[in-house]
Amino acid sequence: EDKVVQSPLSLVVHEGDTVTLNCSYEVTNFRSLLWYKQEKKAPTFLFMLTSSGIEKKSGRLSSILDKKELFSILNITATQTGDSAIYLCAVMDTGTASKLTFGTGTRLQVTL
Amino acid sequence: DGGITQSPKYLFRKEGQNVTLSCEQNLNHDAMYWYRQDPGQGLRLIYYSQIVNDFQKGDIAEGYSVSREKKESFPLTVTSAQKNPTAFYLCATRLAGERKQFFGPGTRLTVL
Repeated sequence: EDKVVQSPLSLVVHEGDTVTLNCSYEVTNFRSLLWYKQEKKAPTFLFMLTSSGIEKKSGRLSSILDKKELFSILNITATQTGDSAIYLCAVMDTGTASKLTFGTGTRLQVTL
Repeated sequence: DGGITQSPKYLFRKEGQNVTLSCEQNLNHDAMYWYRQDPGQGLRLIYYSQIVNDFQKGDIAEGYSVSREKKESFPLTVTSAQKNPTAFYLCATRLAGERKQFFGPGTRLTVL
């Protein structure tokens, strides 16, 4: 059974801090790892990682995958209150249905 | 206006009643998915459909049923057999050949 573990479960930081969110996984046939941000309702897509060592970057957010050690990290620099959300990590297997297995998420709160 | 719509946003149900959650999309995506989200837990897959008139059980299908008569629509029925139906339900879609799933705004179901 595929498994995704995220840490920490929750985190409170001050605006301007840098945070690192962790995601480790066990997947029989790994295809991709995806990060989503969930503020109130619908999760929104952030990154998809397939190859080791290649950093994906979007503004203050970046993510990298280590397929040997089976983990990924999501970094947020210079955090803002608008970054407060649940960050979800999911892994996709090689099946044709592209099913996702999600972790429990990390709840990030950025305070002034 | 393109996207995924879920209705209603909030739903209250008495124990023993069946209820149907709507998911409609005009993205022309082929695959559709239903997830359930509980506090402190990640998203768990209930059912998915890759093409019209075909669907498969996910990890927690017991007590739920679906249909896929049209490409645009994938309704989920929560039956009285579902032991603990109070949760946030999310619908997602995916274009064939792509890996990213896109999520609707969700329906919060409360059983009284």
